[in-house]
Amino acid sequence: GQQLNQSPQSMFIQEGEDVSMNCTSSSIFNTWLWYKQEPGEGPVLLIALYKAGELTSNGRLTAQFGITRKDSFLNISASIPSDVGIYFCAGHPYSGAGSYQLTFGKGTKLSVIP
Amino acid sequence: NAGVTQTPKFQVLKTGQSMTLQCAQDMNHNSMYWYRQDPGMGLRLIYYSASEGTTDKGEVPNGYNVSRLNKREFSLRLESAAPSQTSVYFCASSEARGVSYNEQFFGPGTRLTVL
Repeated sequence: GQQLNQSPQSMFIQEGEDVSMNCTSSSIFNTWLWYKQEPGEGPVLLIALYKAGELTSNGRLTAQFGITRKDSFLNISASIPSDVGIYFCAGHPYSGAGSYQLTFGKGTKLSVIP
Repeated sequence: NAGVTQTPKFQVLKTGQSMTLQCAQDMNHNSMYWYRQDPGMGLRLIYYSASEGTTDKGEVPNGYNVSRLNKREFSLRLESAAPSQTSVYFCASSEARGVSYNEQFFGPGTRLTVL
């Protein structure tokens, strides 16, 4: 089946630094989603992308749907301690009716040093 | 709006015992899902229900059964628990309609240990 490669697996950054992480697929996706999971909680949807080349922001978070449709990027600007958590990408090869199963990356664990 | 709720939050079982994990959503979503999350494995789909009255197997269905009780509720049952089923279980739901078709919203999880 499809696989999503998410990198880096983990990162330690200083508070105030910008963060970049990405997700690549072996096949074309038409939907990319980014989630954040904090310890002991369920994943929370941050950003949804539906169009190649699309750039979408949510506060200090910006995500892009890659032009090739095989990748997506998430950037966090001016990191703060509450950004700590695991960030997951998820994708789907279809859009609209008939599609239910998302493919998830294994996550990027972000640690922020005050 | 509570979103997606799950009960219980924690559970310890002995091998061979049975239990049902409950999930409910108040967003009027059509589709519901059960995942398990294990270290290094990410989220894996166990079963899903595309709409009320239908259920389908996901990636790892063995050892589980599900019931879509109504549009709001989707339960996961372990008939004879095994240590390999120790995991964190998440329920999710999605509207499965329109532009936000694939956006899934997750509950807080049930942490299950099988001894």
